[in-house]
Amino acid sequence: GEDVEQSLFLSVREGDSSVINCTYTDSSSTYLYWYKQEPGAGLQLLTYIFSNMDMKQDQRLTVLLNKKDKHLSLRIADTQTGDSAIYFCAESPRDNDMRFGAGTRLTVKP
Amino acid sequence: DTAVSQTPKYLVTQMGNDKSIKCEQNLGHDTMYWYKQDSKKFLKIMFSYNNKELIINETVPNRFSPKSPDKAHLNLHINSLELGDSAVYFCASGDIGTTADTQYFGPGTRLTVL
Repeated sequence: GEDVEQSLFLSVREGDSSVINCTYTDSSSTYLYWYKQEPGAGLQLLTYIFSNMDMKQDQRLTVLLNKKDKHLSLRIADTQTGDSAIYFCAESPRDNDMRFGAGTRLTVKP
Repeated sequence: DTAVSQTPKYLVTQMGNDKSIKCEQNLGHDTMYWYKQDSKKFLKIMFSYNNKELIINETVPNRFSPKSPDKAHLNLHINSLELGDSAVYFCASGDIGTTADTQYFGPGTRLTVL
């Protein structure tokens, strides 16, 4: 496909784990990213993974990469209400180009 | 201090008008970008400047003209605005190097064309 694809909505209970999935398009992408957008704010880089890695862990965040399937996921452990936001997956198929998904709106219920 | 700032935050204007959106970054980055976010939240790159020089110019109507007076500023001027130009426009800055191309985004400018 030509688009970076993500499901649009995810709802979890506070304290549960959240898993946001993404399918990207270009197997030559060197870096893959997860951004967080809170209401009225710009995109904040959460984490990224280099394409020769399978997994990256950063505190409550775990990124898994399956290059064969071009599948990227973001797991948030012990999800908090402050994690409610839109999460964007992005790939960088060439220098100075970023291709973003449509974003997954994460809602955390108390 | 805001790293990447854009003005105005909201812009409402009539079809046919000419308007500008300003972007400034204080991160010392060499590269700045303009993205358009459509109604489905998909971000598409429009332009990229590196040290005041245009390096990416995607298929964007020539009514859109970026201007970079210095490497800390990248303004977007739009002539003869059309209804389809309504969107949120994001400015970003970053460094090109051997490490991850991290980009820092501004808060966005919501443009509404009536």
